[in-house]
Amino acid sequence: AQSVTQPDIHITVSEGASLELRCNYSYGATPYLFWYVQSPGQGLQLLLKYFSGDTLVQGIKGFEAEFKRSQSSFNLRKPSVHWSDAAEYFCAVGAPAGHSGYSTLTFGKGTMLLVSP
Amino acid sequence: KAGVTQTPRYLIKTRGQQVTLSCSPISGHRSVSWYQQTPGQGLQFLFEYFSETQRNKGNFPGRFSGRQFSNSRSEMNVSTLELGDSALYLCASSPQGADSFAEAFFGQGTRLTVV
Repeated sequence: AQSVTQPDIHITVSEGASLELRCNYSYGATPYLFWYVQSPGQGLQLLLKYFSGDTLVQGIKGFEAEFKRSQSSFNLRKPSVHWSDAAEYFCAVGAPAGHSGYSTLTFGKGTMLLVSP
Repeated sequence: KAGVTQTPRYLIKTRGQQVTLSCSPISGHRSVSWYQQTPGQGLQFLFEYFSETQRNKGNFPGRFSGRQFSNSRSEMNVSTLELGDSALYLCASSPQGADSFAEAFFGQGTRLTVV
């Protein structure tokens, strides 16, 4: 079974500074990888996804992530954080179930991003 | 295009009661999944429906059930509510088909409180 580890429960970054959120996954083959963001009391918004191809993927709101197969990682980055980026971030892995392509998502525990002025 | 709509947004129920939550997926999406989110357990998969058939089920007791209608709208039901069922229930719709995988788009959730 697949699993996702987000080692940082909380991260505080100064506004304007760069950000990197870590994500490690466990899965026997190349997984589908996602980053979602959740504001308090809200649902999850998809930031970006990796299915195949270029290992550096661009997402919305200036976020990017890099898939590194050798490290089983899919870290999320942003060059300059804005106060509005404060939220909880979830890394997820989707793996095909059985013979069909459909899948379920397995989520990490999340990383809460705090942005200081 | 309208997003995923979940109703109601908030619910307060008493232990032992049952509850039904509703989810309307994005138009054209035939796959609907349900997840439970709690502070202790995080996000956990409940079940997934595609074309009115349950294709996958998570590790939850039989008190949790669901169904999908011909218009792809889905409902989940929890019977004999327990305090531990208090959670944010998230519905996600996906354009994935019978043999394809695609990303999931989430609704804003239904906050269920059991007292």
